[in-house]
Amino acid sequence: GAGVSQTPSNKVTEKGKYVELRCDPISGHTALYWYRQSLGQGPEFLIYFQGTGAADDSGLPNDRFFAVRPEGSVSTLKIQRTERGDSAVYLCASSSAGVNNEQFFGPGTRLTVL
Amino acid sequence: AQSVAQPEDQVNVAEGNPLTVKCTYSVSGNPYLFWYVQYPNRGLQFLLKYITGDNLVKGSYGFEAEFNKSQTSFHLKKPSALVSDSALYFCAVRDMWGNTPLVFGKGTRLSVIA
Repeated sequence: GAGVSQTPSNKVTEKGKYVELRCDPISGHTALYWYRQSLGQGPEFLIYFQGTGAADDSGLPNDRFFAVRPEGSVSTLKIQRTERGDSAVYLCASSSAGVNNEQFFGPGTRLTVL
Repeated sequence: AQSVAQPEDQVNVAEGNPLTVKCTYSVSGNPYLFWYVQYPNRGLQFLLKYITGDNLVKGSYGFEAEFNKSQTSFHLKKPSALVSDSALYFCAVRDMWGNTPLVFGKGTRLSVIA
């Protein structure tokens, strides 16, 4: 079956611009996660959705970052007034409900802020 | 706060030899532990997990890991390495109550030499 998909695969933007990154989870997965991965580091948690609501947004670095999942399926990560330090690979993962379930990751969106 | 340490940035092993990728963790209470693999230009793939039960966990592609509570370790092992095992490996932990996000180590690059 189809895995987690993310679009775009690459995004280049200028400092100060607004960007949206999209994630399509595996059908039926109620849990959705966003991570950020910088070069040489492991994925860093940003936000977790259970259904439509953000169950844990403690990883969002500041109020320029926001994410939505209005219908409990597709999610969009939104970054306002981008900064060069936001450059990273943004990963999305989904899983079935239950904290012991493994997460399935998408290929990521590589964001470059010039 | 929970954390994961992967003390080796790089592990080199000859094809056919056994391999070990080390991981130690810190978490309040009992842990849920995961190993993921990341191939170039691809998303993270789940390898195996420890939730409860037998300390030796078997996963995909012939990999296994041993949970050692006294040493707070979850080392990844394979009896006979393949060149195709060359990739980036990540250990991750969360507490069993699900109150905290999945925390990843910084990764270990495995290079299997023919």
